[in-house]
Amino acid sequence: QVQLVESGGGLVKPGGSLRLSCAASGFTFSDYYMSWIRQAPGKGLEWVSYISSSGSTIYYADSVKGRFTISRDNAKNSLYLQMNSLRAEDTAVYYCARLNDYGDHRFDYWGQGTLVTVSS
Amino acid sequence: SSELTQDPAVSVALGQTVRITCQGDSLRSYYASWYQQKPGQAPVLVIYGKNNRPSGIPDRFSGSSSGNTASLTITGAQAEDEADYYCNSRDSSGNHPFGTGTKVTVL
Repeated sequence: QVQLVESGGGLVKPGGSLRLSCAASGFTFSDYYMSWIRQAPGKGLEWVSYISSSGSTIYYADSVKGRFTISRDNAKNSLYLQMNSLRAEDTAVYYCARLNDYGDHRFDYWGQGTLVTVSS
Repeated sequence: SSELTQDPAVSVALGQTVRITCQGDSLRSYYASWYQQKPGQAPVLVIYGKNNRPSGIPDRFSGSSSGNTASLTITGAQAEDEADYYCNSRDSSGNHPFGTGTKVTVL
């Protein structure tokens, strides 16, 4: 069965950096787009970024552009999110999700999330 | 990026029908997908495309679209359907924004 397991969350000071990882299993990772989605405490879902199956196409939400970098290692079945210049408003649970682009786009599998807290 | 707007909250009597709407310009070009999220849990895909349900999603969930509005309908709502629901759609710039979310209460 498809599994996505995020790691790397934690407490970081404003202006600091953090790298999130997502380990994928149960499907051919290199065949699928992948995405990061976040949810601030008590708030709605916010799409952050996605990366194509080969890594050649990447998009970011305006709120993180220039600060966050998404990447993947298909040999390791892993997705990453490098987060720099972190702000208090980046505090959220970060979900890794598979973006199924076979037909209509949808996030068909999600991890359980990892909490990032940005605070001094 | 484009915005998707949802009503903040709706309520439905047990066994009745409720429709949740999502409005946005991108919906004129792309279908929405819909996600159910219960407290403390990750979201779950319930509807995508014209009206497709992933395996394991009850057939009381259905989707439709017209113009700039997408709808999720729950026919015969059950207590376990009480949750937050979010729409999502791609836009022409490659973004995939989520809707503002709707809290569904089953009375």
